[in-house]
Amino acid sequence: NAGVMQNPRHLVRRRGQEARLRCSPMKGHSHVYWYRQLPEEGLKFMVYLQKENIIDESGMPKERFSAEFPKEGPSILRIQQVVRGDSAAYFCASSLGQAQETQYFGPGTRLLVL
Amino acid sequence: GENVEQHPSTLSVQEGDSAVIKCTYSDSASNYFPWYKQELGKGPQLIIDIRSNVGEKKDQRIAVTLNKTAKHFSLHITETQPEDSAVYFCAAQEGNNRLAFGKGNQVVVIP
Repeated sequence: NAGVMQNPRHLVRRRGQEARLRCSPMKGHSHVYWYRQLPEEGLKFMVYLQKENIIDESGMPKERFSAEFPKEGPSILRIQQVVRGDSAAYFCASSLGQAQETQYFGPGTRLLVL
Repeated sequence: GENVEQHPSTLSVQEGDSAVIKCTYSDSASNYFPWYKQELGKGPQLIIDIRSNVGEKKDQRIAVTLNKTAKHFSLHITETQPEDSAVYFCAAQEGNNRLAFGKGNQVVVIP
């Protein structure tokens, strides 16, 4: 009965490098959401994906950020050419997908950009 | 989009007393309101949620009330214990299942 899994838990990158964050949803869940949390702030929605489809990316910056959820394997949030302002905790959540369905969160990836 | 505000930002209570956190939201179309507890270094954990077809829901020491007319909902924790110390987030569901979160409330239970 594994929950949402994220890796790595901590990631350090230098400015200009790429960061790849992975998320495996709960068993049976086909809907994945990514949120970003800045220090002492609430979570901000970034992107909502189903298998092989991006449903809503309205919260994701247009440049340098991309997300995917392939037919096989985990969902990936990719940040190219990272800057210090990208330092944050990135959380993934999953749900069965229907409206008003509970979203279960993973432990997060804490990204630090030096 | 949805705007969720959460008050107070910090709350200290004596062990055994009750804690109440209030949230307001702006979008009358929102119909689902979860509460999450986040401990230091961990992900948010759902503690209770409420849908708009009910006004109150209770689970042991935790309860949530919803007033759709006034667009506010509250979390009630009774008989607080030290392990209740954490940051609590309220959220409202927008379109496309997005959750809009409040900024969080730091609850400190004093033994």
